[in-house]
Amino acid sequence: DAEITQSPRHKITETGRQVTLACHQTWNHNNMFWYRQDLGHGLRLIHYSYGVHDTNKGEVSDGYSVSRSNTEDLPLTLESAASSQTSVYFCASSEGGPYNEQFFGPGTRLTVL
Amino acid sequence: QQPVQSPQAVILREGEDAVINCSSSKALYSVHWYRQKHGEAPVFLMILLKGGEQKGHEKISASFNEKKQQSSLYLTASQLSYSGTYFCGTEPFDRGSTLGRLYFGRGTQLTVWP
Repeated sequence: DAEITQSPRHKITETGRQVTLACHQTWNHNNMFWYRQDLGHGLRLIHYSYGVHDTNKGEVSDGYSVSRSNTEDLPLTLESAASSQTSVYFCASSEGGPYNEQFFGPGTRLTVL
Repeated sequence: QQPVQSPQAVILREGEDAVINCSSSKALYSVHWYRQKHGEAPVFLMILLKGGEQKGHEKISASFNEKKQQSSLYLTASQLSYSGTYFCGTEPFDRGSTLGRLYFGRGTQLTVWP
């Protein structure tokens, strides 16, 4: 069955370190998204991509970067982790088109000490 | 552009009904509804499109008022499994086209007791 996976599921890192979170989908979806979820804020968009080599900033993109070299993967990199980036991160994908429902990965819980 | 959800929290007895509202200040192409259980990923429930089309869960209904940019999710005869946090996601029109990205509300926490 097609799916979307994230790794690692849990990560503890130190302030200032570079961290990369992986997202892999097997639906062949063009659209992929990264969100962070914090208590009281809902889901906030970090970066998104409409296809290979396309990336766009969301509303909370500072300190994060993405690259899309193939259809299946959209890794999220924290260039220099900060305590404010402690959060749960969700990756999602969608086919595009009129309905465009998003399918979410299981999430990565990141703690920055 | 974040939509506003209300109420923030609802507590129900099994079998009771609930309505969750979502309001946007922008012209919308679509409204999505998702449910998230504690420690899990959000799961798609329903999408409502401008023009009246909709697609989603059999047992859940929703409406979309295009003039007011408001949507409501109707949970009738609630079951214990309905407990969770409900999010609306709105897809605005931007200069005549849609962007394919969503703005999510802060969520409505629904608790159903036996």
